[in-house]
Amino acid sequence: EAGVTQSPTHLIKTRGQQATLRCSPISGHTSVYWYQQALGLGLQFLLWYDEGEERNRGNFPPRFSGRQFPNYSSELNVNALELEDSALYLCASSPLTDTQYFGPGTRLTVL
Amino acid sequence: QKEVEQNSGPLSVPEGAIASLNCTYSDRGSQSFFWYRQYSGKSPELIMFIYSNGDKEDGRFTAQLNKASQYVSLLIRDSQPSDSATYLCAARKDFGNEKLTFGTGTRLTIIP
Repeated sequence: EAGVTQSPTHLIKTRGQQATLRCSPISGHTSVYWYQQALGLGLQFLLWYDEGEERNRGNFPPRFSGRQFPNYSSELNVNALELEDSALYLCASSPLTDTQYFGPGTRLTVL
Repeated sequence: QKEVEQNSGPLSVPEGAIASLNCTYSDRGSQSFFWYRQYSGKSPELIMFIYSNGDKEDGRFTAQLNKASQYVSLLIRDSQPSDSATYLCAARKDFGNEKLTFGTGTRLTIIP
């Protein structure tokens, strides 16, 4: 069974630009979660999507947004990038209310 | 007070010994608890989850939960050098609030 996939692996942007990160969940999983892992800060919850709807949002500014498509894949968009947005962005998927499995992550570097 | 707290370590354990990793949580509404292992530069990998008081064993790993004390632990028996990683404890409230709240992780080093 294929795991969670994320693209791109690495992304380099400059301050003020926009970044788009993509995630494909494990087949059969309807929920997608996004987390940010910045150096020294641990994993912080960003967003949770299930069945195309945003179900929960973490304490991040509105310039962090996303969506879930009918095939349950998901996009995370970060607008007006700031230096402190540099982090590993992890996507996880699960069947609703079940255990979350993580993808390999996208390393975003903002210069 | 952080919602989920872990000793950041590093915790050094001789090969073959038992490694004990601890985690406390502050929100009594937390229902399920998860242990993930994260190697440097990699994504978290699920080891175990537990939601009932007591012990849960899976191979060399045992998770322990004490909801009265708001305490979760992970024991690794017969520690191997490949167990050297950062171990993340996470709590989840469930019932429509499925986000995981993570501790900052404990770095474990197994000494050959």
